[in-house]
Amino acid sequence: DAGVIQSPRHEVTEMGQEVTLRCKPISGHDYLFWYRQTMMRGLELLIYFNNNVPIDDSGMPEDRFSAKMPNASFSTLKIQPSEPRDSAVYFCASSFGWGQPQHFGDGTRLSIL
Amino acid sequence: AQKITQTQPGMFVQEKEAVTLDCTYDTSDQSYGLFWYKQPSSGEMIFLIYQGSYDEQNATEGRYSLNFQKARKSANLVISASQLGDSAMYFCAMREPPRENQGGKLIFGQGTELSVKP
Repeated sequence: DAGVIQSPRHEVTEMGQEVTLRCKPISGHDYLFWYRQTMMRGLELLIYFNNNVPIDDSGMPEDRFSAKMPNASFSTLKIQPSEPRDSAVYFCASSFGWGQPQHFGDGTRLSIL
Repeated sequence: AQKITQTQPGMFVQEKEAVTLDCTYDTSDQSYGLFWYKQPSSGEMIFLIYQGSYDEQNATEGRYSLNFQKARKSANLVISASQLGDSAMYFCAMREPPRENQGGKLIFGQGTELSVKP
């Protein structure tokens, strides 16, 4: 079975550029989550969706960050404009139901120069 | 606010021995879920084991078991017969039930780095 698929695996770009991270959740899962992991702050939930609807975006750092889920099989996390402090590993995860384990993608390692 | 505490930043264990990784949590909800994840140096997050707050039996998955003590609000991970491949960061996480327009978040602890010695 295919797991959560994220792309790209690595992204290096210059400050000020737009960055788009992509995620394909596991088929049939109705929850999708975006996390950010840094050494300083650990794993932070940015936003999550239930049945393609954003439920809680209180973790989104600022207006430069936006996330969409146009359908059940695709989500994007966009940063515009990007800043060096956005450098982190971004994970997408999905689950079937709130109480079930979240399955993570391999992450996108983002470096903003 | 809910909170997860992992008090052991790093631990060592001899290969083939058992090890316990500590996790305590704080919540006012009666219904919640507890999870353990493994993150090897390659970076992926691997789900290991899950315990529901109403589950009466401790969860087990192969060499992993969860020592769930509800009154103490602890959910320690026990790894039996450690292997070199168990060397990784281990995260405890808790999820409360979703509430209107919020909630249902998975809150992670800071992690415990486990090193297995040959």
